[in-house]
Amino acid sequence: GQQLNQSPQSMFIQEGEDVSMNCTSSSIFNTWLWYKQDPGEGPVLLIALYKAGELTSNGRLTAQFGITRKDSFLNISASIPSDVGIYFCAGRDRNYGGSQGNLIFGKGTKLSVKP
Amino acid sequence: ETGVTQTPRHLVMGMTNKKSLKCEQHLGHNAMYWYKQSAKKPLELMFVYNFKEQTENNSVPSRFSPECPNSSHLFLHLHTLQPEDSALYLCASSQDFRTSGPQETQYFGPGTRLLVL
Repeated sequence: GQQLNQSPQSMFIQEGEDVSMNCTSSSIFNTWLWYKQDPGEGPVLLIALYKAGELTSNGRLTAQFGITRKDSFLNISASIPSDVGIYFCAGRDRNYGGSQGNLIFGKGTKLSVKP
Repeated sequence: ETGVTQTPRHLVMGMTNKKSLKCEQHLGHNAMYWYKQSAKKPLELMFVYNFKEQTENNSVPSRFSPECPNSSHLFLHLHTLQPEDSALYLCASSQDFRTSGPQETQYFGPGTRLLVL
């Protein structure tokens, strides 16, 4: 089945640092979503992207829908302690409909605070 | 608060028990989903309901039985589970993607943390 490659798997941040993570797919997607999940909670939608090249911000978060339609990245600027958590990318194949209409998720990027 | 609630938040059950998970959405959506989240794995889609009809069953064992009495409520009935079924079970809802197209976005509940002993 389809898979998303999300990297890095984990990273440590120091307050104030910028953070970047990305997702790639083997097929062309027409939707990219970025979620954040805090411990003991469900994923919360951060940013939704629907057009190739689209660049969208949500506060300190910025995400882009890659021109090739096979990738997306999420940047967090000037990170703060509450940014820790697991970030998931999710996408939908362009041939949506039936099972292909459902979201495919990456394995997540775990953000932790540098000790 | 995403508009999707799940109960219970935590559940411990033995392998011979029968229990049910409940999900309710207050967003006016038409589609509801059950996902399983295990450590170090991507979210696994289990079931999809559109307008109360099951449209997807991703080869889920019959010990998991979904029920969708209306567009706002979704249940997952559990029976004779195995320890490997221990996981976080997430419910999500969205507008029906067949009418909304690619702009359909899923909103998740907080999940039920299930432990099978």
